[in-house]
Amino acid sequence: QKEVEQDPGPLSVPEGAIVSLNCTYSNSAFQYFMWYRQYSRKGPELLMYTYSSGNKEDGRFTAQVDKSSKYISLFIRDSQPSDSATYLCAMSVETSGSRLTFGEGTQLTVNP
Amino acid sequence: GAVVSQHPSRVICKSGTSVKIECRSLDFQATTMFWYRQFPKKSLMLMATSNEGSKATYEQGVEKDKFLINHASLTLSTLTVTSAHPEDSSFYICSARKGGSTGELFFGEGSRLTVL
Repeated sequence: QKEVEQDPGPLSVPEGAIVSLNCTYSNSAFQYFMWYRQYSRKGPELLMYTYSSGNKEDGRFTAQVDKSSKYISLFIRDSQPSDSATYLCAMSVETSGSRLTFGEGTQLTVNP
Repeated sequence: GAVVSQHPSRVICKSGTSVKIECRSLDFQATTMFWYRQFPKKSLMLMATSNEGSKATYEQGVEKDKFLINHASLTLSTLTVTSAHPEDSSFYICSARKGGSTGELFFGEGSRLTVL
């Protein structure tokens, strides 16, 4: 079993839709949870960073962490064509850790 | 914002040759940089942690003699793929933390290696 499971998609939605992206994990020691966005042939860029359980909102993006269920989510409101990318969840045990464990990424296409 | 730059972005080489990929932190110093490998539609796999002034720490299963890492300065780490084979073809990405061990991790734009 992989430590982090993420549906690779692809996911296709119309512009303006609410997008829900999810990851599940098996390692209960994970405490730091991140979402990265990766455009084609580019490196990942950090979107959201959360510690432990709870919600965090930044503009159109909301990250949720439910440690009891080992489940994290990223919601994108009012999705735009420019949001089309691969979204990777990542998590680590320590804040200083280099040992980010990534999901496989979900490929999202927002159609105008 | 912080920028991590990789060069070259794309490289094609023949089997048996060696290829060097550079990773630079452009506006901050990074005592530690990280090298990842990403196969198409797959997640990033950490290959090694590059430490300035000391030997790199390799992940289990990564051949240190095949993937040579040198962190010569606080802003530059290099990954050399030695005696490259077609199975080494991949997308290689580096990252570096800004602001010490708890700072944000910034990724380079990746280097696509194709070995013929």
